[in-house]
Amino acid sequence: AAGVIQSPRHLIKEKRETATLKCYPIPRHDTVYWYQQGPGQDPQFLISFYEKMQSDKGSIPDRFSAQQFSDYHSELNMSSLELGDSALYFCASSVWTGKDTQYFGPGTRLTVL
Amino acid sequence: KNEVEQSPQNLTAQEGEFITINCSYSVGISALHWLQQHPGGGIVSLFMLSSGKKKHGRLIATINIQEKHSSLHITASHPRDSAVYICAVGLNFGNEKLTFGTGTRLTIIP
Repeated sequence: AAGVIQSPRHLIKEKRETATLKCYPIPRHDTVYWYQQGPGQDPQFLISFYEKMQSDKGSIPDRFSAQQFSDYHSELNMSSLELGDSALYFCASSVWTGKDTQYFGPGTRLTVL
Repeated sequence: KNEVEQSPQNLTAQEGEFITINCSYSVGISALHWLQQHPGGGIVSLFMLSSGKKKHGRLIATINIQEKHSSLHITASHPRDSAVYICAVGLNFGNEKLTFGTGTRLTIIP
C-alpha cells in the first residue's frame, strides 16, 4: 500500500540558509500535518492543511511557511535557518473525517551547521 | 504538568514477558493514538482509540474515557518490539493535530 512520502530524507544546511521539505500524502488523503521533533524531545505540532487551506497552526516560527497544493502535496519552507531548527520533521496525512488514524511519513532529518 | 503523561519512561524486560505501558491525559479528547518509533526515527501508527479495546496481533490497547487513561499491552514480547512507544491525543474530530506524550523506551532482552 502507498505510504506518506517525504523528501529529502536528510538535509544539511548552513545557518541563515533556506530549506524546503516536501510531503506527499497517501492517495485520497486530504489533510496534512507537519510535526517537528527536536533531539530527545516529543514531536510538536507545527501546522496542518485541509483541502489546500491552513486548518490549524501550532508553534511554528514566523521564519517558516507552508502550503498545500492542488495535488494535496505539501511543502514546508524554512528561511534564516538557526542551529535550533535541527530536528526530525514529520509529515502525516489523514482523511478529514477524523475517523481514521494519521499515517506518518519517514521524516526529514534537517541538520543546521 | 503535561497534558499527556506516560509511564514508565523506560522499561527493560526479558523476551516473552507481558508488557504494559500506561498513558494518562488531562484534557477531553476525541481519540487517543498509540505510536511506535524505531531508532531510525520513523513513526508507525499502532492504534487509534476513542473507546473500549482494540487488538492487533500481540498488541492490545485499551482506553477508559471516564478515568482519562489508556494502556498498551504487548504479549509474548520479542526483541523486535524494542522501540519508543508514544501515546498521543487528538482534541477535535476532523482536525486531529496530535499532542504527544514523552514516550516509553522499551528494550526487550533476548
